[in-house]
Amino acid sequence: NAGVTQTPKFQVLKTGQSMTLQCAQDMNHNSMYWYRQDPGMGLRLIYYSASEGTTDKGEVPNGYNVSRLNKREFSLRLESAAPSQTSVYFCASSEADGQGAYGYTFGSGTRLTVV
Amino acid sequence: GDSVTQMEGPVTLSEEAFLTINCTYTATGYPSLFWYVQYPGEGLQLLLKATKADDKGSNKGFEATYRKETTSFHLEKGSVQVSDSAVYFCALSESGSNRLAFGKGNQVVVIP
Repeated sequence: NAGVTQTPKFQVLKTGQSMTLQCAQDMNHNSMYWYRQDPGMGLRLIYYSASEGTTDKGEVPNGYNVSRLNKREFSLRLESAAPSQTSVYFCASSEADGQGAYGYTFGSGTRLTVV
Repeated sequence: GDSVTQMEGPVTLSEEAFLTINCTYTATGYPSLFWYVQYPGEGLQLLLKATKADDKGSNKGFEATYRKETTSFHLEKGSVQVSDSAVYFCALSESGSNRLAFGKGNQVVVIP
């Protein structure tokens, strides 16, 4: 199984440019998430989608927008990129197991540099 | 709110040494607890989990026991290998919640 697929794997943007990070999962999970990972900061939640048709802000939503296109796909858009958005971005999906615990499956990440 | 605290700083140890990474948590209810591992250049992978007090999660020689009395979920491995070099994250979610709270992670470097 592919699990969670993110594209692109690497991207360099100029300040002010826009781009969309794509994420798709093939596990029929309801919940999907976007995180950014920065040195010394751990993982910070940008946005999440508990189910198709819903999205909610996480800890650091400013400068980002998301779209839950269907159950499989959850995209992250940077409308006007800034150097502070240089980071590694991870998409994840989850579903409750038999004990009600949500184990996450992560994609391999997008390494974004804004110059 | 719910939070997870991991010990500060990277961990460097020799092959076959004993590994412990401390994790303590703060939660209002009865959370599920997780350890995730991130190998260089990859995303996070679920290593093990425990969903109630006194449960022990185990996988690939790693173990962690859910201790409600000390609000801890320390990760241990008896004999590490170079291939265990990675970043390890402790995480929790409240019962029935789809949100995970992550610790900041610990870099583990195993020297041959």
